[in-house]
Amino acid sequence: NAGVMQNPRHLVRRRGQEARLRCSPMKGHSHVYWYRQLPEEGLKFMVYLQKENIIDESGMPKERFSAEFPKEGPSILRIQQVVRGDSAAYFCASSPFGATEAFFGQGTRLTVV
Amino acid sequence: ILNVEQSPQSLHVQEGDSTNFTCSFPSSNFYALHWYRWETAKSPEALFVMTLNGDEKKKGRISATLNTKEGYSYLYIKGSQPEDSATYLCAFVEDDKIIFGKGTRLHILP
Repeated sequence: NAGVMQNPRHLVRRRGQEARLRCSPMKGHSHVYWYRQLPEEGLKFMVYLQKENIIDESGMPKERFSAEFPKEGPSILRIQQVVRGDSAAYFCASSPFGATEAFFGQGTRLTVV
Repeated sequence: ILNVEQSPQSLHVQEGDSTNFTCSFPSSNFYALHWYRWETAKSPEALFVMTLNGDEKKKGRISATLNTKEGYSYLYIKGSQPEDSATYLCAFVEDDKIIFGKGTRLHILP
């Protein structure tokens, strides 16, 4: 059973470009969480999704950031018009049910130049 | 935004010594508390999922306790080994949302 897969592992974008981060949850998991890790900070909650639904996006900036988890395919975290402050590691986790043990991907390190 | 606090932020422990650290969380509306270990260059892995007041969980030399009434959990490591060096995260579950503390970074000194 493959683990949570995130790609790309590293992503470099120029200011103003779009970044698309993908997360394929573990097989059978319908709950996905996205977190951002800034230097010297822990994992900051961004958004919690179930298949085709955003359950809680209270941790996500109101502008430029969006997330989806379609019926088919991976969950996508999309950042439009990236700025230097968006540079961080973005982690995705999945679980079979809400609030049970979360399984993490390896993260995507976004660098905005 | 609820607060999950962990202390200390960083800890140096001699190999062979035992240690513990704390996670505090809101005591109202408790659902579950998770502990994760995060080794450098890897992703966080779950150690324990705790749901009941008074829960005690154990995995090898690592154990955890939970007090939901006063809003804290302790993680204990007995006889620290170099492989225990990692960041230990606790996470509070609210409305199915998993909120992490900043972690305790543990360094085991040979």
